[in-house]
Amino acid sequence: DGGITQSPKYLFRKEGQNVTLSCEQNLNHDAMYWYRQDPGQGLRLIYYSQIVNDFQKGDIAEGYSVSREKKESFPLTVTSAQKNPTAFYLCASSMGGHDGYTFGSGTRLTVV
Amino acid sequence: EDQVTQSPEALRLQEGESSSLNCSYTVSGLRGLFWYRQDPGKGPEFLFTLYSAGEEKEKERLKATLTKKESFLHITAPKPEDSATYLCAVLDAGGTSYGKLTFGQGTILTVHP
Repeated sequence: DGGITQSPKYLFRKEGQNVTLSCEQNLNHDAMYWYRQDPGQGLRLIYYSQIVNDFQKGDIAEGYSVSREKKESFPLTVTSAQKNPTAFYLCASSMGGHDGYTFGSGTRLTVV
Repeated sequence: EDQVTQSPEALRLQEGESSSLNCSYTVSGLRGLFWYRQDPGKGPEFLFTLYSAGEEKEKERLKATLTKKESFLHITAPKPEDSATYLCAVLDAGGTSYGKLTFGQGTILTVHP
């Protein structure tokens, strides 16, 4: 079955450490997105990519980095510059146009 | 800038007690309005897309409607398994075809047996 796979489901980060969240899709979607979800704040866009080797900053890109070397993969790195990284991270993909998103199951990141 | 506001923030219903969730939006041009359901600790699950004012869509106990300024998600005779967070999002007609969805903060629905 086609879908989006995020891993790991839970991730713990020490202060000053970079961590990378994985997102893989087999839907043949061109566009991929990373959102951050905090209680009471809804989903906020971190980065998005419309095509391989190209990506744009979203509303809260500071302290994060991404790459898009393959159509299927869009990993997110949470760097030590992100001062409040504890959150639920969601990856999504779409075909564009009028289509909405298909979401992964999320990664919960906690700073310890 | 696109804005989406959902109300109420939380809604508690008794099983069988019908109600509605509201999604008010401001966009320069609407390409689509989306409703998602999200269970705790999981990713959002797609429910409906509405494209133009007057459009309605139904799925089991849920019915979504759209006007030029807002959308409603009507829940008829809800059951405890309908308990979840319901998210509304808009896709702006401006910009590229791979548009960014702008989400509301969600409505947490709890249905008691």
